Amino acid sequence: AQSVTQLGSHVSVSEGALVLLRCNYSSSVPPYLFWYVQYPNQGLQLLLKYTTGATLVKGINGFEAEFKKSETSFHLTKPSAHMSDAAEYFCAVIEPGRAGKSTFGDGTTLTVKP
Amino acid sequence: GAGVSQTPSNKVTEKGKYVELRCDPISGHTALYWYRQSLGQGPEFLIYFQGTGAADDSGLPNDRFFAVRPEGSVSTLKIQRTERGDSAVYLCASSFGTSGRVGHDEQFFGPGTRLTVL
Repeated sequence: AQSVTQLGSHVSVSEGALVLLRCNYSSSVPPYLFWYVQYPNQGLQLLLKYTTGATLVKGINGFEAEFKKSETSFHLTKPSAHMSDAAEYFCAVIEPGRAGKSTFGDGTTLTVKP
Repeated sequence: GAGVSQTPSNKVTEKGKYVELRCDPISGHTALYWYRQSLGQGPEFLIYFQGTGAADDSGLPNDRFFAVRPEGSVSTLKIQRTERGDSAVYLCASSFGTSGRVGHDEQFFGPGTRLTVL
């Protein structure tokens, strides 16, 4: 069975600092990979996704993630944190051939300090 | 435009009662998904519809849980004989469901229904 591990349930950074949120997956074949963001009292919103092709994926709000097959990782980064980035972030995978069945990590809450 | 809507936003019920949770997907989306999110955890897949049929219901925890989508649009998640362990936020999402892409379609999520079983 697939699983998704997000290291660090809480991450705190200063405004302007690098954001790094970690995601590792276990899957017998390279899955489709996603990062979602959830702001307070709002639904999950897709930040970016990797399906095929270029392993460095750019998303909304200046976020990007790199698929590293050898490390089974899909870490999310942003060069400079903004106060508005404070939210909960979820990594998710879909195994090819299991359309629609997303497996999510337990989330990482990002706090941005002024 | 209208996003995915879910009603009610909050539902409090007593152990043993029956509940129905409703999801209105984005117009034109053929794929619809239900997830359950417990406190401190990520969403857990329950069931996925393509049109009117359940394409994958492997996430339903037991036979107390059932979902329908009779006309390929609105969906209802039904829970019989509710238990305290059913308390969670139930999320619905929809996507275009284009053939060949549904595996990595962007899923648009609703705000969820918070179910509390006393």
